[in-house]
Amino acid sequence: DAGVIQSPRHEVTEMGQEVTLRCKPISGHNSLFWYRQTMMRGLELLIYFNNNVPIDDSGMPEDRFSAKMPNASFSTLKIQPSEPRDSAVYFCASGTSGIVGELFFGEGSRLTVL
Amino acid sequence: AQRVTQPEKLLSVFKGAPVELKCNYSYSGSPELFWYVQYSRQRLQLLLRHISRESIKGFTADLNKGETSFHLKKPFAQEEDSAMYYCALSSGSARQLTFGSGTQLTVLP
Repeated sequence: DAGVIQSPRHEVTEMGQEVTLRCKPISGHNSLFWYRQTMMRGLELLIYFNNNVPIDDSGMPEDRFSAKMPNASFSTLKIQPSEPRDSAVYFCASGTSGIVGELFFGEGSRLTVL
Repeated sequence: AQRVTQPEKLLSVFKGAPVELKCNYSYSGSPELFWYVQYSRQRLQLLLRHISRESIKGFTADLNKGETSFHLKKPFAQEEDSAMYYCALSSGSARQLTFGSGTQLTVLP
């Protein structure tokens, strides 16, 4: 298994543009998490899905952020419109809800908004 | 609300010296604590969990409920231990992890 796959690895865009980040979790995992990593705030949980259903989206910064999981093998995180303060590394992680705490992370998507 | 605090953003030690990365948490119930590590150009990965009471790569961590701490320790640091370390907490009912802000450990030759 290639592990959690994220795309794109790097994205540079201009303020106001729409950004879509993609994630393919590990096959068989039923939990999926989106985290944002910044120097100032470390790793912040944005949203958490279990069996494709959003369970907790309290970490989503504002209405500009949205996330979907249409099936067990794909999730997207969308920012529209993007702002410079959204610049960060966005990680997707998957796990099994029966095993607490063991998450498998992707390599991250580094977003720069100019 | 649950919270994880790692007071040191940066920590440097010399090779062979003991190292302790501090982690404190706040949670009213019975937490499960974890340490994750991110080596340069590698994915964030689980290092150890308090339930297992295991030693991984020479690292150990003991949950101290009285002090609400879960410090990560290694008696003799190695250069390959240089990495970013995150302490994380999971509450009983929730499956998501709350991470601390991380400590960048540098082991000097």
